[in-house]
Amino acid sequence: NAGVTQTPKFQVLKTGQSMTLQCAQDMNHEYMSWYRQDPGMGLRLIHYSVGAGITDQGEVPNGYNVSRSTTEDFPLRLLSAAPSQTSVYFCASSYGTAKNIQYFGAGTRLSVL
Amino acid sequence: DQQVKQNSPSLSVQEGRISILNCDYTNSMFDYFLWYKKYPAEGPTFLISISSIKDKNEDGRFTVFLNKSAKHLSLHIVPSQPGDSAVYFCAASVLDSNYQLIWGAGTKLIIKP
Repeated sequence: NAGVTQTPKFQVLKTGQSMTLQCAQDMNHEYMSWYRQDPGMGLRLIHYSVGAGITDQGEVPNGYNVSRSTTEDFPLRLLSAAPSQTSVYFCASSYGTAKNIQYFGAGTRLSVL
Repeated sequence: DQQVKQNSPSLSVQEGRISILNCDYTNSMFDYFLWYKKYPAEGPTFLISISSIKDKNEDGRFTVFLNKSAKHLSLHIVPSQPGDSAVYFCAASVLDSNYQLIWGAGTKLIIKP
């Protein structure tokens, strides 16, 4: 089982560049989310989706956009990268009534110079 | 203001002994708590959870204790094994509150042979 797949694993951007972090899951989970993890801090929720066509903001949404056109895919777009967005990004999904037990991808390590 | 705090950044335990990881929270509305385990270069994986209607939950070598009056929970691992070396995150949520989790900063557990 592939589970939650994130691409790329590593990325270096220059300030002002845009890019999309990809996330796909093959478990037919309705709920998907994006987190960032910074040193000395817990994971912080960026955006989440409770189903195709529905997205909402989390704790730290500024500078990021998401869309959910299919159940499987939940891409995260950085519109104009800033050094403050240097972080490790995790995508997660969950299903059914155990909505808070989430399955995570391996992460994307992003550096913005 | 961190609502979920893991005050020990790291913990070193002898193989075979008990590992105790602690987590404190400030929001009295939290009613569901989870522990996740994370290896380097991987995403977090769910370990064990507890609802606020319970004070203890066991799963094999892992036991989580919840003290609501003290707003404190702990994860006990008995006996500790080398494969338990990882970063452990505590997370909390208000059940059914749009599925958002608030995460602690993590504790790195090192099991010494």
